[in-house]
Amino acid sequence: GAGVSQSPSNKVTEKGKDVELRCDPISGHTALYWYRQSLGQGLEFLIYFQGNSAPDKSGLPSDRFSAERTGGSVSTLTIQRTQQEDSAVYLCASSLLGTSYEQYFGPGTRLTVT
Amino acid sequence: AQSVTQLGSHVSVSEGALVLLRCNYSSSVPPYLFWYVQYPNQGLQLLLKYTSAATLVKGINGFEAEFKKSETSFHLTKPSAHMSDAAEYFCAVTFTGNQFYFGTGTSLTVIP
Repeated sequence: GAGVSQSPSNKVTEKGKDVELRCDPISGHTALYWYRQSLGQGLEFLIYFQGNSAPDKSGLPSDRFSAERTGGSVSTLTIQRTQQEDSAVYLCASSLLGTSYEQYFGPGTRLTVT
Repeated sequence: AQSVTQLGSHVSVSEGALVLLRCNYSSSVPPYLFWYVQYPNQGLQLLLKYTSAATLVKGINGFEAEFKKSETSFHLTKPSAHMSDAAEYFCAVTFTGNQFYFGTGTSLTVIP
């Protein structure tokens, strides 16, 4: 079946512009996660959605970052007024409740801020 | 605070040799533990997971890991390295499923 998909795969933007990154989770997966992976670093948790519950936004690094999940499916991560330090690979993962938290990852969006 | 430590950011082994990638966590409560592999320009793929059942966990591609509570470790091993094992490996823990803590990764090089 279809896995987690993310778009775009690559995004180059100028400093100060806003960007939107999209994640399509596996159909039926109730949990959705966003991570940021910087060069040579591990994955940094950003935000977690579970069903209709309020999202866990504790990992968002600043108020320039926001995310939403519409209809319990597709999610969009928005970065406003991008800065060069926002350059990274943004990974999305989804999981199904009751599967011991096994996450399925998308291929990521590589964001470059010039 | 919970954290995950992967000792050795780069590991090189000869083809056919033992692979040992180290992972330690800091927590008084045993978490759920995972190993993921990431090939270039791809997302992460689950290798194996520990969920409080058997302490020796077998995963895909011949990998296995042993949970040792006394050592707070979850090291990843493979008896014989293959060229296709060259990748980045990440250890991760979670307690409630809402937040995952990932190590900084270990890059495995396999020398022919």
